[in-house]
Amino acid sequence: RKEVEQDPGPFNVPEGATVAFNCTYSNSASQSFFWYRQDCRKEPKLLMSVYSSGNEDGRFTAQLNRASQYISLLIRDSKLSDSATYLCVVNGRNSGYSTLTFGKGTMLLVSP
Amino acid sequence: DVKVTQSSRYLVKRTGEKVFLECVQDMDHENMFWYRQDPGLGLRLIYFSYDVKMKEKGDIPEGYSVSREKKERFSLILESASTNQTSMYLCASSLRGGAGSYEQYFGPGTRLTVT
Repeated sequence: RKEVEQDPGPFNVPEGATVAFNCTYSNSASQSFFWYRQDCRKEPKLLMSVYSSGNEDGRFTAQLNRASQYISLLIRDSKLSDSATYLCVVNGRNSGYSTLTFGKGTMLLVSP
Repeated sequence: DVKVTQSSRYLVKRTGEKVFLECVQDMDHENMFWYRQDPGLGLRLIYFSYDVKMKEKGDIPEGYSVSREKKERFSLILESASTNQTSMYLCASSLRGGAGSYEQYFGPGTRLTVT
């Protein structure tokens, strides 16, 4: 099983639509979870951290299900500027140190 | 705002050359990381450092070395560049976590082409 698995997409949605991305992870001991956003030819930037209780930031809602090892991101009222690749990120252990493992990303294309 | 800078945005080198990629962060972060990103393969960790003069191998360290002489600076070295090292190289930094991890902040990347 891949460490962090995401549907690569692309997801093509019209402006104003609601879209959801899912991600599964293999390391049951993971404790930190994030969604990053990466625009074309740019560096990844933190979109939001994901907490056990779920969290919301404006139009974005993240959920964590530890039992199923599953993370989700919901985007409401999509904007053209939301077009990007969304990376699911989970921490793990590497040489005894906590490092981050990045999924390959899900591409979102929002059209007028 | 956290700022992570990388010495070059684009670099073209010849096979066999020694290549230095420099990264500097201004937020006093303990941890620094080097990744490469390739289409279809995502971000892969090359090396990381959790303190000055300390380094640990990531998932794909072969063909690379690193240096961390100062807290704010982390260098990636390609001893003898090869064409399969053509890639986007991303540096990142973060606070030192415990069992979990803090978010990482990325530099703008260096697109290296080895011919």
